Amino acid sequence: EPEVTQTPSHQVTQMGQEVILRCVPISNHLYFYWYRQILGQKVEFLVSFYNNEISEKSEIFDDQFSVERPDGSNFTLKIRSTKLEDSAMYFCASRVTPSVNTQYFGPGTRLTVL
Amino acid sequence: DAKTTQPNSMESNEEEPVHLPCNHSTISGTDYIHWYRQLPSQGPEYVIHGLTSNVNNRMASLAIAEDRKSSTLILHRATLRDAAVYYCILRDLNYGGSQGNLIFGKGTKLSVKP
Repeated sequence: EPEVTQTPSHQVTQMGQEVILRCVPISNHLYFYWYRQILGQKVEFLVSFYNNEISEKSEIFDDQFSVERPDGSNFTLKIRSTKLEDSAMYFCASRVTPSVNTQYFGPGTRLTVL
Repeated sequence: DAKTTQPNSMESNEEEPVHLPCNHSTISGTDYIHWYRQLPSQGPEYVIHGLTSNVNNRMASLAIAEDRKSSTLILHRATLRDAAVYYCILRDLNYGGSQGNLIFGKGTKLSVKP
């Protein structure tokens, strides 16, 4: 069964450094999302992406964050200058149709900012 | 978006049925009812969704009240692998287009005893 994959599974970085989290969505899917989950808290929406542009973003998704689909298969989340509070699990998700909101999530990347 | 209310936690015995309730008294006529679950240390996983009629799939059944103000996710025979946080999420049919981000609450933490 096709699945969403994410790399790396764990990323440790120093505060102020840039990180890029990578996702490979399911191949025929058209809608892509990033969510995050701080340890012990709810899953929070960050951004949705469709037709090569951001379609919606949350208040969390400030100027430090950016997303890209550079080559038609990868979907990346970049954090320009990481802060301690960016430490969280980051989940990528994808969805195929506009009509039914069934999203398929990846296993996540655990980001630790020191 | 209409709000959902779920119990914080529930317990079940292995191989017994589990009924996970969700109240959504302010649901609108175009809101789909989605259920996702999150196993420990994993990303959310789609379980089932419905609009008005009861639904069955290989994972679970969804029973929707006639007035749609509540629904119940039914796991017919709980296994240890079903121990997870279960989320009931409403999403407007007409909002499922290029956006359609999921809004997660705290969900119900299901424990399964052997």
